[in-house]
Amino acid sequence: GENVEQHPSTLSVQEGDSAVIKCTYSDSASNYFPWYKQELGKRPQLIIDIRSNVGEKKDQRIAVTLNKTAKHFSLHITETQPEDSAVYFCAAQNRDDKIIFGKGTRLHILP
Amino acid sequence: NAGVTQTPKFRVLKTGQSMTLLCAQDMNHEYMYWYRQDPGMGLRLIHYSVGEGTTAKGEVPDGYNVSRLKKQNFLLGLESAAPSQTSVYFCASSYTFNQPQHFGDGTRLSIL
Repeated sequence: GENVEQHPSTLSVQEGDSAVIKCTYSDSASNYFPWYKQELGKRPQLIIDIRSNVGEKKDQRIAVTLNKTAKHFSLHITETQPEDSAVYFCAAQNRDDKIIFGKGTRLHILP
Repeated sequence: NAGVTQTPKFRVLKTGQSMTLLCAQDMNHEYMYWYRQDPGMGLRLIHYSVGEGTTAKGEVPDGYNVSRLKKQNFLLGLESAAPSQTSVYFCASSYTFNQPQHFGDGTRLSIL
């Protein structure tokens, strides 16, 4: 079945700097890759997603890149702000149509 | 438009007791999911449904049962609760498998 690996598990960056979170997946048939943000005690919420027919997608300070050959995708957050502090989950949709989530990255934005 | 609503929000059970968690969505979504979230483990899929009257197993289905008698509702049952089932449970829904999932606020369940 699908396996999604996410790194790092914890990331601390200075406010204003960029943050990058990386994920790899195992199922070459996967074609949908969402990213969710979960603030402490809250529900996960979609922040951006990408499909296999594009290599990059951007929404203001957030961007996602996808390398299908290498089977990895990354989340980039630029000009980080205190409200970016949260846990971020990547996910990949596998051949059985289930979404498999990575274990999450806890992002700390340092003042 | 409430989105995805989960009840209850908190519950404490004794080992061996049974209970049902209710998830309701008002977005006319076909797909519904139940996840459990444990520290350091991310979100693990328990069961899911691709439409009214259907259910399917996810990554960690053992000890749980589900039913989708109505399109808007997805029930998760624990027949004989065990301490290993202590977790935060999230319900989610989506139009199809490759569309964003909308999550409920979660149910924090403790099994003593």
